[in-house]
Amino acid sequence: DTAVSQTPKYLVTQMGNDKSIKCEQNLGHDTMYWYKQDSKKFLKIMFSYNNKELIINETVPNRFSPKSPDKAHLNLHINSLELGDSAVYFCASSHEGWSNEKLFFGSGTQLSVL
Amino acid sequence: GEDVEQSLFLSVREGDSSVINCTYTDSSSTYLYWYKQEPGAGLQLLTYIFSNMDMKQDQRLTVLLNKKDKHLSLRIADTQTGDSAIYFCAETSWNKLTFGTGTQLKVEL
Repeated sequence: DTAVSQTPKYLVTQMGNDKSIKCEQNLGHDTMYWYKQDSKKFLKIMFSYNNKELIINETVPNRFSPKSPDKAHLNLHINSLELGDSAVYFCASSHEGWSNEKLFFGSGTQLSVL
Repeated sequence: GEDVEQSLFLSVREGDSSVINCTYTDSSSTYLYWYKQEPGAGLQLLTYIFSNMDMKQDQRLTVLLNKKDKHLSLRIADTQTGDSAIYFCAETSWNKLTFGTGTQLKVEL
């Protein structure tokens, strides 16, 4: 069984559309994250949730809204998609959210905005 | 600079050693990490070092830490084609992980 799974793997859409990416972890972890990896492979944290509560919210446009219905799920909804949103989005989880913990990553969602 | 810096690219021959370097920014980082990203996949933790250590060995991997210069390195002995990937160092800063810019390692036959 995949520990951190995200869907879809690929997402191609037009500018201005609204889309969601789903993430689920079956590790029993309390903390989940969204990272964005740009075309130069630079990886930056967007959000983290601990037990359904927002912990980290980096400088991300408010068109991006994370939603955590329970601690095993953290979905990312993006409104009014822009060309610059094209990237690979990674979901991750860790046991409690302390910085000394190992992160487990999903395999990524490649978003292409046309 | 503000970024955790790594050189972009490294090419080695199979069987040689690879050394990937990283300059981090936060001297209070408790742990420093190396993650590996294979094509089309997420990152996987390779190894880590606690800040009060200056070296850690784990099979073919050796991590060296120079706290004075805020320099971290990863040495892979006997590099294999399966080691071809992007390698990211990461520091713990403000209770979150900040990743380096990534080094693409290419292993040639």
